Amino acid sequence: DQQVKQNSPSLSVQEGRISILNCDYTNSMFDYFLWYKKYPAEGPTFLISISSIKDKNEDGRFTVFLNKSAKHLSLHIVPSQPGDSAVYFCAASHRNFNKFYFGSGTKLNVKP
Amino acid sequence: EPEVTQTPSHQVTQMGQEVILRCVPISNHLYFYWYRQILGQKVEFLVSFYNNEISEKSEIFDDQFSVERPDGSNFTLKIRSTKLEDSAMYFCASSEQSLHTDTQYFGPGTRLTVL
Repeated sequence: DQQVKQNSPSLSVQEGRISILNCDYTNSMFDYFLWYKKYPAEGPTFLISISSIKDKNEDGRFTVFLNKSAKHLSLHIVPSQPGDSAVYFCAASHRNFNKFYFGSGTKLNVKP
Repeated sequence: EPEVTQTPSHQVTQMGQEVILRCVPISNHLYFYWYRQILGQKVEFLVSFYNNEISEKSEIFDDQFSVERPDGSNFTLKIRSTKLEDSAMYFCASSEQSLHTDTQYFGPGTRLTVL
């Protein structure tokens, strides 16, 4: 099941700079997307979501962009902080189904 | 702040044994979920549960798996006859409303090791 893909297993960014995490999906029926952050030994924590009727959603330092034609979404974190170091998962679903498909995650390391 | 709790944090079992993983969702939530994450792999949806019945399940959730809400607070995942490949982190989640109108809150997970 590869409906949601995160092709970069890891990303390293300097503190204060922008982190850009990418996610691609194959199912054009997906209409709701989320980003989760996960620290070791903890469950995923919701970060930000976007519906397919929008192409951008912003919450503080976090912005999610959705490009429906390219079936691509990205999470921008600016400025990046060392506490942002974690694994980030994108997830997608369709309104008719009460389940999410997760990507494989990108491990972000923000260097002080 | 209310949170989802899971017990035990680590469960070790012999292949072929039954295990029950327990979750206490956030008290006013109505939708409940189980996910699993095999080491180094993605988080995979197993099942969603609403109004005392399964609303969605994945291909992974075969006859060896069952879920139950035995009382007003617990939500359990039972694996009837564990296999080596069932070794994973199992996450419970809950939401007040359905996925498209509300956020899921995840528990810390139960690490299941099948020997």
